[in-house]
Amino acid sequence: GAVVSQHPSWVICKSGTSVKIECRSLDFQATTMFWYRQFPKQSLMLMATSNEGSKATYEQGVEKDKFLINHASLTLSTLTVTSAHPEDSSFYICSANKVVGAETQYFGPGTRLLVL
Amino acid sequence: QQQVKQSPQSLIVQKGGISIINCAYENTAFDYFPWYQQFPGKGPALLIAIRPDVSEKKEGRFTISFNKSAKQFSLHIMDSQPGDSATYFCAASIGGSNYKLTFGKGTLLTVNP
Repeated sequence: GAVVSQHPSWVICKSGTSVKIECRSLDFQATTMFWYRQFPKQSLMLMATSNEGSKATYEQGVEKDKFLINHASLTLSTLTVTSAHPEDSSFYICSANKVVGAETQYFGPGTRLLVL
Repeated sequence: QQQVKQSPQSLIVQKGGISIINCAYENTAFDYFPWYQQFPGKGPALLIAIRPDVSEKKEGRFTISFNKSAKQFSLHIMDSQPGDSATYFCAASIGGSNYKLTFGKGTLLTVNP
């Protein structure tokens, strides 16, 4: 199989604090991981593409200093929402591709962030 | 600019019926077209995907029909079941799933028992 996990699944924080979300590929190595944001009853919007050992590539309109992405190993990428505000409340989903093998992007279960 | 347009926004089907969801794309460079199923509070799961060199692909009750000239593709769910009730997203990418996916807006499917 190909399992992608995210931690935490739920997080509630106060406005102004920073929150880190982890994305792990459990049984495969992934050179590329993607971070998406999804508002209720809306589609997935790609935020950034994360490649192991290099800087992330952010989509237009996504603040690099606001959403820090680190892809330190072939199995772990992290998204840090810095100085979170209520408008950052959303469902954050990561996905990962195998280095080799079937051409499938595997999605994590998502992390629900609520900023009070 | 929305590059992948999906319709309908919502769909209600009776158990045993056929569910049909349509997508249209604009960028002719797209060469990989997956469909994802998402249940509330969960991440999307790949259902089935197609490349533009074939016009149809079938996996179990799920079929993708692809019309390259019209730049359209659709998902057919045969013998729809209440357990199929979920949100379905079409997507497209250039170069396969190793590259970023552009998603449609989603279709909320409800299958009544």
